[in-house]
Amino acid sequence: GENVEQHPSTLSVQEGDSAVIKCTYSDSASNYFPWYKQELGKRPQLIIDIRSNVGEKKDQRIAVTLNKTAKHFSLHITETQPEDSAVYFCAASNGAGTGNQFYFGTGTSLTVIP
Amino acid sequence: DAGVIQSPRHEVTEMGQEVTLRCKPISGHNSLFWYRQTMMRGLELLIYFNNNVPIDDSGMPEDRFSAKMPNASFSTLKIQPSEPRDSAVYFCASSFRSAGYTFGSGTRLTVV
Repeated sequence: GENVEQHPSTLSVQEGDSAVIKCTYSDSASNYFPWYKQELGKRPQLIIDIRSNVGEKKDQRIAVTLNKTAKHFSLHITETQPEDSAVYFCAASNGAGTGNQFYFGTGTSLTVIP
Repeated sequence: DAGVIQSPRHEVTEMGQEVTLRCKPISGHNSLFWYRQTMMRGLELLIYFNNNVPIDDSGMPEDRFSAKMPNASFSTLKIQPSEPRDSAVYFCASSFRSAGYTFGSGTRLTVV
């Protein structure tokens, strides 16, 4: 099955700086890569996703890049703000067959220092 | 839409008791997933259903865990008997085809 690795496990940045979280996956059939943000005591929430036919996607201060050849994808947050502090999870799915199982990374705890 | 609805939000029970967690997926979503989250293990997929049919239950830790989805709008996760190591936050999520999951608010289970 799919194996998703995520790093770093913790990340601290100064407010206004950029943050980058990287994930690798093992199954070349994976074609859908969502990112989730989980604030303390709350549910994971989808913040951005990318499909395998796209190399990059941006939404305001958040961007995701995908390198299918190398089997890695990254989340980029620019101009970080204290409210960006949370745990971020990457995931991979092949979106095929019955169901749509996501394989999650182990999470990155991001702290933005004011 | 009210999103994925889970109940109860918090459950404290004594070891050996039966615990039932409930989930109502988003209307129209055809896949439902049960996850367990702990500090040590992160997000673990326990079981998922597609069109009310269990597809993969390999993540269910033991026979003490069971899940049902009698119809498209309701699912339960049952632990019998419960043990302290079952203490965790249990999330239900639903999705439609290859779209992203929507998670419920979770049930925080404490077994004492």
